Amino acid sequence: GNSVTQMEGPVTLSEEAFLTINCTYTATGYPSLFWYVQYPGEGLQLLLKATKADDKGSNKGFEATYRKETTSFHLEKGSVQVSDSAVYFCALGRGYNKLIFGAGTRLAVHP
Amino acid sequence: NAGVTQTPKFRILKIGQSMTLQCAQDMNHNYMYWYRQDPGMGLKLIYYSVGAGITDKGEVPNGYNVSRSTTEDFPLRLELAAPSQTSVYFCASSLSNRLAGTNTGELFFGEGSRLTVL
Repeated sequence: GNSVTQMEGPVTLSEEAFLTINCTYTATGYPSLFWYVQYPGEGLQLLLKATKADDKGSNKGFEATYRKETTSFHLEKGSVQVSDSAVYFCALGRGYNKLIFGAGTRLAVHP
Repeated sequence: NAGVTQTPKFRILKIGQSMTLQCAQDMNHNYMYWYRQDPGMGLKLIYYSVGAGITDKGEVPNGYNVSRSTTEDFPLRLELAAPSQTSVYFCASSLSNRLAGTNTGELFFGEGSRLTVL
């Protein structure tokens, strides 16, 4: 079946630290992969995506590369800010744009 | 820009009561979805619709019903509420790949409806 596994949180970092949130997936075929972010009290919003193997998605300093050989889509950012504190969800896309989500990873960034 | 609008934002129900969560989008999206979010569990798909008059079950449809009489609206009905339905519910919409072009696959979410069943 299709599933997404994310590293458990919370992840606590100091401002300007390097961020990695691991994400691996199990799927038939070659789905599109997504990272969504949820700020406190809000709905989810798309952060970045990749539609095929070796694609790199990037947005707001965040990056993730679609690795077919390791079935991974790890999220990275070189220097986090307090404003990046949120919950991050890895997801894979299936037919009709249905998304299968990981459990989410809470990130807390301190000054 | 309204986007996806959900009402109510908060609701407390007693066991056995019924209610409808409303969802409306003004982006002329053909696809719409209902997800529930439980702590530490990510989001699970309840129902989805690919156009007016067409709905289908997701991963966790039991205890819920939906309808899609217009492109804009996609209400979620809870019959005989149970404590297991305590959750945060999110409505989302998207365009089919054929219509979305390079934006394919992006879902737009509402702010959520927090439901407590006591």
